[in-house]
Amino acid sequence: DAGVIQSPRHEVTEMGQEVTLRCKPISGHDYLFWYRQTMMRGLELLIYFNNNVPIDDSGMPEDRFSAKMPNASFSTLKIQPSEPRDSAVYFCASTLAGVGYTFGSGTRLTVV
Amino acid sequence: EDQVTQSPEALRLQEGESSSLNCSYTVSGLRGLFWYRQDPGKGPEFLFTLYSAGEEKEKERLKATLTKKESFLHITAPKPEDSATYLCAVQVAGYSTLTFGKGTMLLVSP
Repeated sequence: DAGVIQSPRHEVTEMGQEVTLRCKPISGHDYLFWYRQTMMRGLELLIYFNNNVPIDDSGMPEDRFSAKMPNASFSTLKIQPSEPRDSAVYFCASTLAGVGYTFGSGTRLTVV
Repeated sequence: EDQVTQSPEALRLQEGESSSLNCSYTVSGLRGLFWYRQDPGKGPEFLFTLYSAGEEKEKERLKATLTKKESFLHITAPKPEDSATYLCAVQVAGYSTLTFGKGTMLLVSP
């Protein structure tokens, strides 16, 4: 299995631009999570899905953030418009039955 | 509110010098406590899950233990390749999400 695949690995964008991060979970996993990691706050849960349905988006910082999971093999996290304070590493993780998360390699986002 | 606190924030060891990392937690009903290792530029990699007080798990030079308030990750005779950030996370009963501590950055010098 290729594991959880995220793209792009690095993204540099200008303030105000739209940014889309992508994630392919492990086949057969029924949960998908989006986390954000910064030095100050560590790993924070943004949103998670169960069987493609969003369950809890209370960690999404603002309306500028949105996430979708159109099918079991693909999810996106979109930031529109982006701001410098959104700069962080964004991780996607998947799991079967909520046990034993597998993380992707992350997307390092820099907003200038 | 669920809280996870890891200490120390950073630890520097000489090769072969054993030590322990601490993870203290406050949750309303623990389902599991997880330890992850994170190398620079990579995602967290799963190490252990502990479910009940008194439980211990081992993997090579690492041993994780759990009490009702904290968990320890013991590193015996570490090697430079053990250098990484070690993350602790808790999962509350009835939920599927993990709440992470900020991690301990371990550096093992030859």
